[in-house]
Amino acid sequence: DAGVIQSPRHEVTEMGQEVTLRCKPISGHDYLFWYRQTMMQGLELLVYFNNKAVMDDSGMPKDRFSAKMPNASFSTLKIQPSEPRDSAVYFCASRSWHPRDNSGNTIYFGEGSWLTVV
Amino acid sequence: DQQVKQNSPSLSVQEGRISILNCDYTNSMFDYFLWYKKYPAEGPTFLISISSIKDKNEDGRFTVFLNKSAKHLSLHIVPSQPGDSAVYFCAATFSGTYKYIFGTGTRLKVLA
Repeated sequence: DAGVIQSPRHEVTEMGQEVTLRCKPISGHDYLFWYRQTMMQGLELLVYFNNKAVMDDSGMPKDRFSAKMPNASFSTLKIQPSEPRDSAVYFCASRSWHPRDNSGNTIYFGEGSWLTVV
Repeated sequence: DQQVKQNSPSLSVQEGRISILNCDYTNSMFDYFLWYKKYPAEGPTFLISISSIKDKNEDGRFTVFLNKSAKHLSLHIVPSQPGDSAVYFCAATFSGTYKYIFGTGTRLKVLA
């Protein structure tokens, strides 16, 4: 089975440019998460969706970040304008809805998009 | 406000010995906890989890212990192997939400 697919894997851009990160969740998964990994904060949750609707975006800087999920198999995270402090690895993850038991509570991560803003 | 804390950024252990990774949390509403392992240039992968109704869960060489009164969990790896060298993240979530809060990670190095 295909896992969570992210693109691009690496992106180098100049400050002020727009950056779009893309994610295809695992087929059938209802929940999609965007995380950012930094040295200081570890894995920070930026936003998550349930059935394409935003459930919580309290971790996302609203002035420059936006996240969309136009259909069940695609999501984007956009940064406009980008700044050097946005340099990080951005992970997309997904999980299926499942009653609370030991098998269905894990989330599955993609390999990440490495963003460098110069 | 870091609700899930991993206070040790790194840990080195000899091969064959026990590795103990620690995690503290502040929100008493958390009722499910997970550990993830991350190798360089890869996404985190699920390792083991525990519900708040238990105080221990074991899977092969990996055991997670939960102390609710202390709001503390730990991951024990016995015996440690060089392939266990990675960054380990603990995460927490609670009923009614699917919001997973991760810690800052601990880099484990197992020395051969």
